[in-house]
Amino acid sequence: EAQVTQNPRYLITVTGKKLTVTCSQNMNHEYMSWYRQDPGLGLRQIYYSMNVEVTDKGDVPEGYKVSRKEKRNFPLILESPSPNQTSLYFCASRSLGQYYEQYFGPGTRLTVT
Amino acid sequence: AQKVTQAQTEISVVEKEDVTLDCVYETRDTTYYLFWYKQPPSGELVFLIRRNSFDEQNEISGRYSWNFQKSTSSFNFTITASQVVDSAVYFCALKGPSQKLVFGQGTRLTINP
Repeated sequence: EAQVTQNPRYLITVTGKKLTVTCSQNMNHEYMSWYRQDPGLGLRQIYYSMNVEVTDKGDVPEGYKVSRKEKRNFPLILESPSPNQTSLYFCASRSLGQYYEQYFGPGTRLTVT
Repeated sequence: AQKVTQAQTEISVVEKEDVTLDCVYETRDTTYYLFWYKQPPSGELVFLIRRNSFDEQNEISGRYSWNFQKSTSSFNFTITASQVVDSAVYFCALKGPSQKLVFGQGTRLTINP
């Protein structure tokens, strides 16, 4: 089954404790992206990657890091989380060859206290 | 810059009523794509439709229909004979030549029995 998986689905952590949210897709997609969803703001792009070792900033990259060492994986790293990073996070992927709709992961609800 | 506006933050109707969700977009690109996504209470994002800027034909899929008008930069979504299962947050999104998907703020639709 074609899918994007994210782990963990729910996470409560404390300020400053480094964390990683994993994202993996099994569709051989070149493009992967992270979004955060906040009430009244919709989804905003954090980072995206066009292919292995190619990443770039989206609209709200501050406080986040990403890496793309393998085509299928695109982890989101919060080196020192802060309460304003409490949000719902979505990973997405799609093929670059022709524009298909983005496939979204199930979401990760992060709470930073 | 690209922008998507969903002016209706929340809509509440009684089951079987028709309801229209508005989406207005801004872009300077001549080639672009518009999308609608549904986010049910379970939180995942469900793709509903993609429309490219060269195809202004309206589309109907069961109880769902979409009205794309380039003259008013709008891509409105109508649910006919609404049902309780239609209750969700609905997002309109825009993609231009860049790889970024720009989302509106979302409209929370509640269908009351």
